[in-house]
Amino acid sequence: AQSVTQLGSHVSVSEGALVLLRCNYSSSVPPYLFWYVQYPNQGLQLLLKYTTGATLVKGINGFEAEFKKSETSFHLTKPSAHMSDAAEYFCAVSEDDYKLSFGAGTTVTVRA
Amino acid sequence: KAGVTQTPRYLIKTRGQQVTLSCSPISGHRSVSWYQQTPGQGLQFLFEYFSETQRNKGNFPGRFSGRQFSNSRSEMNVSTLELGDSALYLCASSLALAGLTGELFFGEGSRLTVL
Repeated sequence: AQSVTQLGSHVSVSEGALVLLRCNYSSSVPPYLFWYVQYPNQGLQLLLKYTTGATLVKGINGFEAEFKKSETSFHLTKPSAHMSDAAEYFCAVSEDDYKLSFGAGTTVTVRA
Repeated sequence: KAGVTQTPRYLIKTRGQQVTLSCSPISGHRSVSWYQQTPGQGLQFLFEYFSETQRNKGNFPGRFSGRQFSNSRSEMNVSTLELGDSALYLCASSLALAGLTGELFFGEGSRLTVL
């Protein structure tokens, strides 16, 4: 079974600074990878996904992620943080039996 | 297009009771997945239903059960509630199996408190 590890449970950035959230997966076959965001008191919302093709994936709200097979990573970035980016972010991987597994989540706080 | 609707949004139960949570998926979506979210354990997969059949199941005891109806609406039931069952229960729908599309649409959740 595949799994996903998010490095860092909390990330604090200044408004306008780079946001970098790290995600590594374990897989013996090419996985499908996803990033979701959860705003306070809401359900999760898909930010972006990688299935096949281009390894740099662009998502909503200015986020993007790069699939690096050699590093088994799928890190999420945003060049310039905004106050509205404060939320919890989840990396997810699709397993062989088509089950979606989520990482532990990374909470992002944005300092004014 | 209406989103995923979960009822009730909040509920309080006592140990030993049972609870039923309901989820109405987006129209046309045939898959419904359930997750338990707690501060300590994060998001844990409960089960997924597709076309009224349970297709995947997480590592939860038999006290946790679910079903899906012909209109794709789903319910989950927890019997003999324990304090540790206090959590946010999230339902998500998708057009096909969650792992095939990866694009889950989540409801706002049902927050269960067990006293």
